[in-house]
Amino acid sequence: GQNIDQPTEMTATEGAIVQINCTYQTSGFNGLFWYQQHAGEAPTFLSYNVLDGLEEKGRFSSFLSRSKGYSYLLLKELQMKDSASYLCAVRDWDTGRRALTFGSGTRLQVQP
Amino acid sequence: EAGVAQSPRYKIIEKRQSVAFWCNPISGHATLYWYQQILGQGPKLLIQFQNNGVVDDSQLPKDRFSAERLKGVDSTLKIQPAKLEDSAVYLCASSLDGGNEQYFGPGTRLTVT
Repeated sequence: GQNIDQPTEMTATEGAIVQINCTYQTSGFNGLFWYQQHAGEAPTFLSYNVLDGLEEKGRFSSFLSRSKGYSYLLLKELQMKDSASYLCAVRDWDTGRRALTFGSGTRLQVQP
Repeated sequence: EAGVAQSPRYKIIEKRQSVAFWCNPISGHATLYWYQQILGQGPKLLIQFQNNGVVDDSQLPKDRFSAERLKGVDSTLKIQPAKLEDSAVYLCASSLDGGNEQYFGPGTRLTVT
């Protein structure tokens, strides 16, 4: 099975940079995903990493180290609209599933 | 392109009653997922379909939950009878066959009283 850990809450200032960490344990790793979820809304896809390294997409970047079971999501030039929960999720091929196992999410509050 | 559609958006029922949720995935998406998201937690997979076949239902409480995807398009998720702990948002998602990105619908918020 999978075990995914991420901080419950974080607070940051508008215009700053914030890093949200995620650690995981899985037997058949086949990808790590980050989703953004605003309160009362559905999750939306942010990024996907399957190989080690950094993936950059505009203000958002995601890093993966498979040997350490570690990922982070980096948000730059924070905006008020970035206040949301950020969900780390892992895909495990051992069972043939493509479904994701999600962490509990990190609630980010951006302050003026 | 239309997104994943779900209905109803909200449902309030008493414990021991039955309820059904409907999902229409994005056109052409072979894979459909039902997730349960309890307040303050991440989504938890209940069942995954590939076309009209079940790929994974290992976390579906089969004594009370059932799901079907007739004709490999729309899907329904049913709870019978409901318990208080079933109060959650039920999310439907779909993806292309082999695709990495899952597209989520707006969810159905179920309250069991």
